[in-house]
Amino acid sequence: LAKTTQPISMDSYEGQEVNITCSHNNIATNDYITWYQQFPSQGPRFIIQGYKTKVTNEVASLFIPADRKSSTLSLPRVSLSDTAVYYCLVGDIQDTNAGKSTFGDGTTLTVKP
Amino acid sequence: ETGVTQSPTHLIKTRGQQVTLRCSSQSGHNTVSWYQQALGQGPQFIFQYYREEENGRGNFPPRFSGLQFPNYSSELNVNALELDDSALYLCASSSRVGVETQYFGPGTRLLVL
Repeated sequence: LAKTTQPISMDSYEGQEVNITCSHNNIATNDYITWYQQFPSQGPRFIIQGYKTKVTNEVASLFIPADRKSSTLSLPRVSLSDTAVYYCLVGDIQDTNAGKSTFGDGTTLTVKP
Repeated sequence: ETGVTQSPTHLIKTRGQQVTLRCSSQSGHNTVSWYQQALGQGPQFIFQYYREEENGRGNFPPRFSGLQFPNYSSELNVNALELDDSALYLCASSSRVGVETQYFGPGTRLLVL
């Protein structure tokens, strides 16, 4: 599984856009990039997943450059409730490997009023 | 709410004891993965069960074992508890059809004294 590197922490203010970048230099051809959000004493919650270019859903966007060696999670107009730990995972989603994810230590995002 | 439930929510054991943690997967999901999350760290993969068979294991000793039942619920058993086993234990269910998205339960907080 590809190793990922994320900033340990980030601070932002309400209403700002937040971009969290994850480096994954050893990403393999079959690997997808998945981001999870985790609040204290809760399980991680799926945010978004992508393979290349750009993916957008109702809560976030995921930008993946052509070489796929990094990815950026973009959270538009954050609020205090977005304060959480964000994990970037890179892994093969084919049947024999799905679910065997390696989480790093994540990025602790603190949103201030 | 992900539809994944875990029991108990909290548990206190003493060193050397055995513990069983339970997980009910989301409806329609036939795969369950278990993770251990120490304080301040990301979740670490323990093992995965697919259709009642173990399908991959992380770097955990044999005293960590599991079961998956015909209804796809699952148990995690830990024998000879050690102080370092104190952690949040998470289970995640997923469907093995299509893109991997794991749905995590709220976790069981285990304290070993």
